[in-house]
Amino acid sequence: EAGVTQFPSHSVIEKGQTVTLRCDPISGHDNLYWYRRVMGKEIKFLLHFVKESKQDESGMPNNRFLAERTGGTYSTLKVQPAELEDSGVYFCASSQVRGTISTNEKLFFGSGTQLSVL
Amino acid sequence: GENVEQHPSTLSVQEGDSAVIKCTYSDSASNYFPWYKQELGKRPQLIIDIRSNVGEKKDQRIAVTLNKTAKHFSLHITETQPEDSAVYFCAASRRGAQKLVFGQGTRLTINP
Repeated sequence: EAGVTQFPSHSVIEKGQTVTLRCDPISGHDNLYWYRRVMGKEIKFLLHFVKESKQDESGMPNNRFLAERTGGTYSTLKVQPAELEDSGVYFCASSQVRGTISTNEKLFFGSGTQLSVL
Repeated sequence: GENVEQHPSTLSVQEGDSAVIKCTYSDSASNYFPWYKQELGKRPQLIIDIRSNVGEKKDQRIAVTLNKTAKHFSLHITETQPEDSAVYFCAASRRGAQKLVFGQGTRLTINP
C-alpha cells in the first residue's frame, strides 16, 4: 500500500513569495488533514477535509493560507504571500473511518514539507 | 481548548534501560490518546494508542498507561535499543473531535 506522499520535501523561498504544497493521501482515504510543526514545537492542526469538503479549518493561521482538495483526491496548501513565521514542517495525514474507528484515529502521515522563508 | 503538555523535551538513556515519557491533557472529555514516533528524516508513525475505557495497553516493549483522574498518560519503553532513538509525540482528542492535539515532542536518544 502506497503511503501519504508530499511534494516538495523542501522549499526555500523569500518573504513575499508564493509557495504551494501538495499532498497525495492513501488511495481511498476520505479524510485528509494538514498539520504544521514550527521550530521544534508541537504539531498543530491546520485543517481537515472529508473528501472535497472542508470540515474544520479552525487551525488555519490567517487568510494567507488556502487549502483545496478538488475532486476529493490530492490536496494543495498555498501560502501567499509567505512570511518569516510560516517557516516549519507541514505535514499531511489521511485516514479512513472503519467501524468504531473515528476520523482522527489511525492517521497515516506523510514525510512533510520543510518550508523555509528567508 | 485542549492543551497537551509533554515532558521531558529530551531524554537520554543507556541501551537496555527503560524510558518513560509523560503527557498531561486539559480536556476531561478527551477519550483517545495516540503516540507517534518520528525517526530522523522520516514520517511520524503511530506506535500505540489507547482509549479512555482502559488503563493500560502493551505491545511488546512498548506500553501506555492512562490516569483519567489525574489527566495524564505515559509511554513506557523497556529494554531500549538504538532504533528506539527518535522524536516521540503524544496526542489527545475528544469524542467527536476531528483533530488531534499534540504535545511538544520528546527527543529520545539511546546510548550504546
